[in-house]
Amino acid sequence: DARVTQTPRHKVTEMGQEVTMRCQPILGHNTVFWYRQTMMQGLELLAYFRNRAPLDDSGMPKDRFSAEMPDATLATLKIQPSEPRDSAVYFCASGLGGSLDTQYFGPGTRLTVL
Amino acid sequence: RKEVEQDPGPFNVPEGATVAFNCTYSNSASQSFFWYRQDCRKEPKLLMSVYSSGNEDGRFTAQLNRASQYISLLIRDSKLSDSATYLCVVNPSRSGGGNKLTFGTGTQLKVEL
Repeated sequence: DARVTQTPRHKVTEMGQEVTMRCQPILGHNTVFWYRQTMMQGLELLAYFRNRAPLDDSGMPKDRFSAEMPDATLATLKIQPSEPRDSAVYFCASGLGGSLDTQYFGPGTRLTVL
Repeated sequence: RKEVEQDPGPFNVPEGATVAFNCTYSNSASQSFFWYRQDCRKEPKLLMSVYSSGNEDGRFTAQLNRASQYISLLIRDSKLSDSATYLCVVNPSRSGGGNKLTFGTGTQLKVEL
């Protein structure tokens, strides 16, 4: 049963520290998404890749967040420096592309910045 | 105005009841529509796509009204296991333009004995 995997599942860090979250999309999927979920805002799209190329990162605070796909099996989301307001659940999702395509979500990384 | 709006609930219903959720979207050019389900502290999962002609999957029926820009989800004979948050999801892109989804904040359903 193919799944999106994410590490770490939980992260507690102090303000100012760098945080790196990793995602392994489902093999063969060519689109990867990073979302952030909070109680107040719900699910927000941060970044979107197709065939490893970034297509849209307009939802991402550029000064502290960066998203990359070093290869087809790994996507990373970095926050440097982290702030308490970054506390949220970060989900990675992958899909085959196309407007009717299903996005498959990973289990998420629950980030707490103290 | 939010792109996708849902009543947050919670909807508390007895087992066996029929419950309906509505969702409105602001972009009239939106092309595809979905309902996702999210259990507490879990990831969202696709429940069903919503087609112009409406579609049914067992106890679940989804409808789309393009003129009024709303989507509905009907759950019949609700089960305890249906308790979850239901996310209304819209893709504003035309076919081939990508699948950047916009999620509503969700409607919480609690099915009780």
